[in-house]
Amino acid sequence: GAVVSQHPSRVICKSGTSVKIECRSLDFQATTMFWYRQFPKKSLMLMATSNEGSKATYEQGVEKDKFLINHASLTLSTLTVTSAHPEDSSFYICSARDTAAGGLVTEAFFGQGTRLTVV
Amino acid sequence: AQSVAQPEDQVNVAEGNPLTVKCTYSVSGNPYLFWYVQYPNRGLQFLLKYITGDNLVKGSYGFEAEFNKSQTSFHLKKPSALVSDSALYFCAVRDGNSGNTPLVFGKGTRLSVIA
Repeated sequence: GAVVSQHPSRVICKSGTSVKIECRSLDFQATTMFWYRQFPKKSLMLMATSNEGSKATYEQGVEKDKFLINHASLTLSTLTVTSAHPEDSSFYICSARDTAAGGLVTEAFFGQGTRLTVV
Repeated sequence: AQSVAQPEDQVNVAEGNPLTVKCTYSVSGNPYLFWYVQYPNRGLQFLLKYITGDNLVKGSYGFEAEFNKSQTSFHLKKPSALVSDSALYFCAVRDGNSGNTPLVFGKGTRLSVIA
């Protein structure tokens, strides 16, 4: 199946700094990617839909100025957590579909996830 | 709007016994249903999907799921559980009539297979 690569897998940063997380589709082009956040023992919460060449669409309650999303190419979307605070500590996961190969019925593939710890 | 319910937070089963992880869904349009598995500190791995056709879908690692339209269910099953099946399982749904939209996930069910 299609491969989605996410980097870094783990990051620890100081409170007040910014962290960038990359999501790449390795063997297909993704005009749309999705960013999720997972709290401990909780399900995945959709944060935003990343659209290549245009602004991301954020879910209600997600601060767009805090979670900056850039989808500059068909294979790369980045999520930047700005001025991170301890409450931003979480597991962040991206996903994408290879719609060119399978159309809209194809399954989504997920990155390995990024464990962010803000100290 | 779509939603998924996984009524069990935890399922325990002895190795070699059959397992079932339950999922019910709600979607206004055409349900596209998926099961994913997550191991600790990892992303989600695709197991199987139902789009159309046979109600019984077979997937990776010997898992299967049965689509039941009248009960709006999509339970995950395996005839003989392995210890290595222990993980967190997510059911997800998407409205097939709504374009390239994100998946909506259930809260997850932790499966523990005991040797």
